Amino acid sequence: KNEVEQSPQNLTAQEGEFITINCSYSVGISALHWLQQHPGGGIVSLFMLSSGKKKHGRLIATINIQEKHSSLHITASHPRDSAVYICAAFSGYGGSQGNLIFGKGTKLSVKP
Amino acid sequence: DADVTQTPRNRITKTGKRIMLECSQTKGHDRMYWYRQDPGLGLRLIYYSFDVKDINKGEISDGYSVSRQAQAKFSLSLESAIPNQTALYFCATSSADEQFFGPGTRLTVL
Repeated sequence: KNEVEQSPQNLTAQEGEFITINCSYSVGISALHWLQQHPGGGIVSLFMLSSGKKKHGRLIATINIQEKHSSLHITASHPRDSAVYICAAFSGYGGSQGNLIFGKGTKLSVKP
Repeated sequence: DADVTQTPRNRITKTGKRIMLECSQTKGHDRMYWYRQDPGLGLRLIYYSFDVKDINKGEISDGYSVSRQAQAKFSLSLESAIPNQTALYFCATSSADEQFFGPGTRLTVL
């Protein structure tokens, strides 16, 4: 079983729809990252959060530490949001730690 | 200029050849990483370095070696490339709050 699981693996939406991508993890973490990988391959960090909720434009990320679950929401989706969204758990620095454990990604396609 | 640069961006090589992928960063971060990405498997850690004198193996280090020449430079070598090392390779740096990825190197081993 993967330590970081994302769902769904693939998601197709119509422009304007509200989108939710889920991430569950089984490891102890100090933070969770959401990344966006564009069709050309480049990866951009969207959020790092260790509790509660963060918002940036139309993107909202939430985390529930007790339930080991995080969600990424996109409001008023647009075709330019089409990308692979990757969740990554961070266990904190010290010793051999300090690395990210990645989910396999959710491929989002937003149709006009 | 990009914060993290990788060279080359694309490379085709033959089985048995030695190849080096280079990474430079302008963020001033101590922590640097090499990942590979394969379809359906996500990103996997090859090696990481927390400062110039610190090199650590990641999940899939066999067949790879690294060199941290300076705080800003971290190179990945394949001593004798094999076809299953065909993948997209990413270098990254990190601060306490964020990861910064290079644009990736697409490597094909024939």
